[in-house]
Amino acid sequence: DTGVSQNPRHKITKRGQNVTFRCDPISEHNRLYWYRQTLGQGPEFLTYFQNEAQLEKSRLLSDRFSAERPKGSFSTLEIQRTEQGDSAMYLCASSLGTGGPYYEQYFGPGTRLTVT
Amino acid sequence: SQQGEEDPQALSIQEGENATMNCSYKTSINNLQWYRQNSGRGLVHLILIRSNEREKHSGRLRVTLDTSKKSSSLLITASRAADTASYFCATDEALYNQGGKLIFGQGTELSVKP
Repeated sequence: DTGVSQNPRHKITKRGQNVTFRCDPISEHNRLYWYRQTLGQGPEFLTYFQNEAQLEKSRLLSDRFSAERPKGSFSTLEIQRTEQGDSAMYLCASSLGTGGPYYEQYFGPGTRLTVT
Repeated sequence: SQQGEEDPQALSIQEGENATMNCSYKTSINNLQWYRQNSGRGLVHLILIRSNEREKHSGRLRVTLDTSKKSSSLLITASRAADTASYFCATDEALYNQGGKLIFGQGTELSVKP
């Protein structure tokens, strides 16, 4: 399968614990995006990378959230000291992005986080 | 914050009928993309229309874009039960001339009854 993959698919954690999610983009894509989606809503942008550089972070991304993309390949999203409000589906997407703003973003299956 | 508003929020039709969903947005855009999401799953890319395009087709899908009205529509012809899903429009704002984040609407929930 050459699509975007995310692990784990489901994560249940207790409030206050740290969690880390991983995203593997489509191999030739240099852009990688993280979004968060709550029930009944559209996805909300969190951050994105072009190669290993983090180009933009949403104001939604509090200090408890950090994302990395070492070597411009896979990415990790870490949430420290989780809160119940962090419960959501975390979606990763990737795209090409060297020739202008006309590239489709392809999404992974998501990681569903439940904070108890 | 979400830029797009989708209309209707929910749509129920019979198999074989056409389904039309509308999306409005607020700022200038580079492109607009439509996605489908089955319950609890990831998003599937359907179609991208550039800001200088007015209409685009892909199989049973037809997308129009009116930048003067800041609106788009998605038409699904001859709908099937398998088209039952949530449909989202997403815009890539022209502020970022190299593209980047997508801003999604709240989606239209389509139910196609056999």
